[in-house]
Amino acid sequence: DAGVIQSPRHEVTEMGQEVTLRCKPISGHDYLFWYRQTMMRGLELLIYFNNNVPIDDSGMPEDRFSAKMPNASFSTLKIQPSEPRDSAVYFCASSLGTGHGYTFGSGTRLTVV
Amino acid sequence: SQQGEEDPQALSIQEGENATMNCSYKTSINNLQWYRQNSGRGLVHLILIRSNEREKHSGRLRVTLDTSKKSSSLLITASRAADTASYFCATVSYSGGYQKVTFGIGTKLQVIP
Repeated sequence: DAGVIQSPRHEVTEMGQEVTLRCKPISGHDYLFWYRQTMMRGLELLIYFNNNVPIDDSGMPEDRFSAKMPNASFSTLKIQPSEPRDSAVYFCASSLGTGHGYTFGSGTRLTVV
Repeated sequence: SQQGEEDPQALSIQEGENATMNCSYKTSINNLQWYRQNSGRGLVHLILIRSNEREKHSGRLRVTLDTSKKSSSLLITASRAADTASYFCATVSYSGGYQKVTFGIGTKLQVIP
């Protein structure tokens, strides 16, 4: 398995633009997580899905953020409109389920200028 | 202080020495996990210890869990330069159908050749 695949690896965008981050989890993993990592706040859980259904989105900062999982092999995290404070590394992770560890992707480094 | 707080925040040792990192938490957990993150990379799962376990080994890694003190430690024996990375603990709890995962701020380990 190629692991959790995220794209793009780097994204630089102007404030106000829409940004879409993509994730392909490991086949067979029922859970998918989106995290954001910054120096100031560390790793923050934004949202997670179980069997493609959003379970807990309490970590999503505000309405500008939305996440979807249309099928078991694909998820997107969208920011619209983007702001400079959204600059961070965004990680996607997947897991077999409760009692198992998480496999992280390589992340998307987002810079909003 | 936040759940899953690592101590120390930074550690510098000579190659061949042992490295010990600690993690404290506040609420009850189902399991605790340790991850490694190399600079610019995603997190890599190292080991998971369940709340009813006290110690686990994996190669040069030894993890202990003391639920009465709400603390865990990660010991890396005979360290190598390649162990240089940040190490995070993550506490996992389940309640009301929700999975709550909280990462600490990490310990930055430097192993000097």
